[in-house]
Amino acid sequence: GMPVEQNPPALSLYEGADSGLRCNFSTTMKSVQWFQQNHRGRLITLFYLAQGTKENGRLKSTFNSKERYSTLHIKDAQLEDSGTYFCAAETSSFSKLVFGQGTSLSVVP
Amino acid sequence: AQTIHQWPVAEIKAVGSPLSLGCTIKGKSSPNLYWYWQATGGTLQQLFYSITVGQVESVVQLNLSASRPKDDQFILSTEKLLLSHSGFYLCAWDRGREQYFGPGTRLTVL
Repeated sequence: GMPVEQNPPALSLYEGADSGLRCNFSTTMKSVQWFQQNHRGRLITLFYLAQGTKENGRLKSTFNSKERYSTLHIKDAQLEDSGTYFCAAETSSFSKLVFGQGTSLSVVP
Repeated sequence: AQTIHQWPVAEIKAVGSPLSLGCTIKGKSSPNLYWYWQATGGTLQQLFYSITVGQVESVVQLNLSASRPKDDQFILSTEKLLLSHSGFYLCAWDRGREQYFGPGTRLTVL
């Protein structure tokens, strides 16, 4: 199977709603990064985690290497949160990042 | 602060024509550099990486080549473009194990 499975592929939220994205890994990964890709294609780094949980404003991410998953939680969704979100996991190969398939998030009023 | 630039911003090229895309990073000496490709609506795939001048490792073969002519420069090229080369090309560098991405070049092959 795919080394990184990301779900859901698409998500539509009303402003103010909360939701979560998840990535499952087929093997043990060293770290994970979460990115938001805007409409111009720019990849914005949201989180880097080697383990545990990090929070930044309305965003929270967890990485559990032993259980082989990572999550990104969005709280109080805003219109500017719309975009495509990717998780990318670091494999045992030299700095090789394997990306998930992405989640297309649409926040509507 | 480190800055990463890519050129051109976008290209429209004919099938069979040559291609050269550039990436330069300022503010960091001896960076590890990476090329990624993203098909329209798809995910990112790592193509090449380089840890030093003159050394490039291929991760995925897509009839493309890469070179590292200078410490701060990474070039992606091919002599003959295919339709399948269309997409978005991103250059990245790393700080420790965390990667940072450039603004990308959008390539359309007709």
